[in-house]
Amino acid sequence: GQNIDQPTEMTATEGAIVQINCTYQTSGFNGLFWYQQHAGEAPTFLSYNVLDGLEEKGRFSSFLSRSKGYSYLLLKELQMKDSASYLCAVREEAGGSYIPTFGRGTSLIVHP
Amino acid sequence: KAGVTQTPRYLIKTRGQQVTLSCSPISGHRSVSWYQQTPGQGLQFLFEYFSETQRNKGNFPGRFSGRQFSNSRSEMNVSTLELGDSALYLCASSLAQGAGDTQYFGPGTRLTVL
Repeated sequence: GQNIDQPTEMTATEGAIVQINCTYQTSGFNGLFWYQQHAGEAPTFLSYNVLDGLEEKGRFSSFLSRSKGYSYLLLKELQMKDSASYLCAVREEAGGSYIPTFGRGTSLIVHP
Repeated sequence: KAGVTQTPRYLIKTRGQQVTLSCSPISGHRSVSWYQQTPGQGLQFLFEYFSETQRNKGNFPGRFSGRQFSNSRSEMNVSTLELGDSALYLCASSLAQGAGDTQYFGPGTRLTVL
């Protein structure tokens, strides 16, 4: 099984930078995903990390440290539309099967 | 290219009934996963199908089942509905089953059990 922790809520100002952390414990790590979910909508894929390091994609970047069981999602130049829930998900491999487990999500509120 | 579609979008059932939800993946995608999302438990993995075979299964009772057809469309069934089954059921598709495949979610089916 897995234990995934991320902050429940964060607030930030438009134009600023925010970092959302995610820690996890797993025995068969097979990748970490970040999703964005606006209220009333389905999650949308943001990033995927399987090796240590930083993955950059436009205003969003994601970092992974497998040895520390730690990841963060970095959002730059925040916009009002970035107000959403951000889900950290860890995929675990067990006996050839891949089981994803999601964190409870971090609700990000961006204010003017 | 059309996205993942789910039908119906909204459903109201009573306790003890059964329900079948449908998911059509993105054209060319062969893997379909199902998730349950509730305010209390968050997003939880139900099962994944690939090439008409269930490949992975989450920790849900046997009342939850599914299947996948040769055209990759998938259905999930919940029998003997309980109040706690009220949730948003999400389907996600990916090209194949594997470590690096991105999943694309459908809009979900909102199930209410009375």
